[in-house]
Parts: sequence; structure tokens; C-alpha cells
Amino acid sequence: DAGITQSPRHKVTETGTPVTLRCHQTENHRYMYWYRQDPGHGLRLIHYSYGVKDTDKGEVSDGYSVSRSKTEDFLLTLESATSSQTSVYFCAISPDSYYGYTFGSGTRLTVV
Amino acid sequence: TQLLEQSPQFLSIQEGENLTVYCNSSSVFSSLQWYRQEPGEGPVLLVTVVTGGEVKKLKRLTFQFGDARKDSSLHITAAQPGDTGLYLCAGARQTGANNLFFGTGTRLTVIP
Repeated sequence: DAGITQSPRHKVTETGTPVTLRCHQTENHRYMYWYRQDPGHGLRLIHYSYGVKDTDKGEVSDGYSVSRSKTEDFLLTLESATSSQTSVYFCAISPDSYYGYTFGSGTRLTVV
Repeated sequence: TQLLEQSPQFLSIQEGENLTVYCNSSSVFSSLQWYRQEPGEGPVLLVTVVTGGEVKKLKRLTFQFGDARKDSSLHITAAQPGDTGLYLCAGARQTGANNLFFGTGTRLTVIP
């Protein structure tokens, strides 16, 4: 019972196509996050959510959108994928940043 | 601009050796967390320290939060190959949603 799952784990897509990544939690945590991790850049926040239908931008939000229609699900959409969005994407959940995050296992996305 | 700088960036040691990883900032944090990330997986929370000067031990790992709550260290005694991974520190500026800042990371390799 992982508490947080991401899908898919791997995806290859073509430039210009839309892509949606899903994050599902069973912990009922209020906060959910999407990060990307790239060599030399570390973890960078894309978007986060502080409640159902309540989201905000992170430091690298351009080209990405999110939605949270239920407490347990947080979707990340690349409207028109570009090669610069090739990365490993992590979802994280938290009751409060003070206590730390629980991360998912990641989605490796390749845009060709 | 990185809020949290970790050193060293890379560390390769022999099994049985001791090591220390540092996490430094000019900012004050309400809590400081350490994560370990293994290849193909998301970061996993190891410990949270919240009081200046606090020391926490987790088997062979010792975590210390600086008196001024601006820095932290991770000391590993008698390193083992299973300690290999990317170590990340993260500081929370205040409670709430988007107040966790990740360090630049230290990649540790323990050679058998």
C-alpha cells in the first residue's frame, strides 16, 4: 500500500501532442505537488494544489496545466509536448510542508 | 539562486568509511528534512529536525540542525553499499503549502 501512485511510469510521446500524467493518493492529504527532476537542476516545482480546485504555479509552470477535481487525484497536463519537457516527473503529497513530503515513484517522459 | 547549498556534490568512498554531508543556507527554516533517493525511485523522507541544535540518530545516520536553524549536516558512520544514493536536504520556511525548498543534492557512492 504505497499511499501515492503515479501513472504511467514511462511514456514516449511525439512533439506537439498533449500528455496527461496522473497522481493518486489514499492518504487524504491536503497538499499535492508536481515536480520535474533534471540533471544539473535538481527538483523544480511545476504546480501545486492546496485543496480541491485550488492550485497555484511553481517556478517552472510554463507549458503545463493542472487540475484537482477530487482530493485524491492531481493531474498534470502538457498541452503540446516539447523536447524540453523530456524529464522525470514526480508527484508528492503532504499534510503540511513542515512535516515533509511523500513522493511517488515518478514518470519518465520522453518527447521525441 | 539556490536557497540551500549542499556539499560535496559528489562523494565516492570505500565501504566502512565515515562521511559527512553539509546543507547550508543564509535563510532560517522552521524545519529541515533529509531525503534519500535511489535510482528509478522518488525521494524518501529520512528525518525531520525542527529545533536549533537538535541531533537525531537513525541507526548509522546522525542528523544535526544548526543552532541558528540555517544549516544541517548528515553524518554516516561505517558506510555500506546500501547507503548509495542521492541525498537531498529540504527546508521549510513556514507552515503551509509551498514553503519547502530543496537543496542541490549530494550523490553518494559506497564502493564494496
